[in-house]
Amino acid sequence: GAVVSQHPSWVICKSGTSVKIECRSLDFQATTMFWYRQFPKQSLMLMATSNEGSKATYEQGVEKDKFLINHASLTLSTLTVTSAHPEDSSFYICSALDRSRAYEQYFGPGTRLTVT
Amino acid sequence: QKEVEQDPGPLSVPEGAIVSLNCTYSNSAFQYFMWYRQYSRKGPELLMYTYSSGNKEDGRFTAQVDKSSKYISLFIRDSQPSDSATYLCAIGEGGSYIPTFGRGTSLIVHP
Repeated sequence: GAVVSQHPSWVICKSGTSVKIECRSLDFQATTMFWYRQFPKQSLMLMATSNEGSKATYEQGVEKDKFLINHASLTLSTLTVTSAHPEDSSFYICSALDRSRAYEQYFGPGTRLTVT
Repeated sequence: QKEVEQDPGPLSVPEGAIVSLNCTYSNSAFQYFMWYRQYSRKGPELLMYTYSSGNKEDGRFTAQVDKSSKYISLFIRDSQPSDSATYLCAIGEGGSYIPTFGRGTSLIVHP
């Protein structure tokens, strides 16, 4: 149990375009989802926390107008990178948890974004 | 000083060795402790979680927590090349759903 999927797993886009990444909890209801960014050989950097039906809470330094997060249902959250630039190229990973199951976060497989 | 310290390694061991991975933390309010395994270009996979001091065993993995010393460990017995990955600890306060992650330790198990 506790499976989280992400789509797409890999995307290349041109500078200035927008990209949407989906995160789904497949076998549980995710009351809270997280979005992380990870650079090579670096640890996870939390970008934002989203609770179902509420606005996302962004970490300091993360532009909320650039990284749009929507958590419209208990099984789906989306991250849209707007007007992407090469510096946005990174590995984006979502995680989900069910508060009724306590604190364990379950991660998706990640999405590799390359902006050309 | 970071709240969670973890040696990045790499840690290189021969197949069959017992591996010890460690994290130290400074916040005495931390109450839950998790270990994740992350293969290259993949998302982290939850291996172990515990909420109390002592040992928790699952197959070849043992998680150990010493709250008095603010020290946690993950032991891997009979290590295999397939265990080669980065291992991250994640520690959090009760009531907070946002844990603090260590930077991860890179483990290499060579045949």
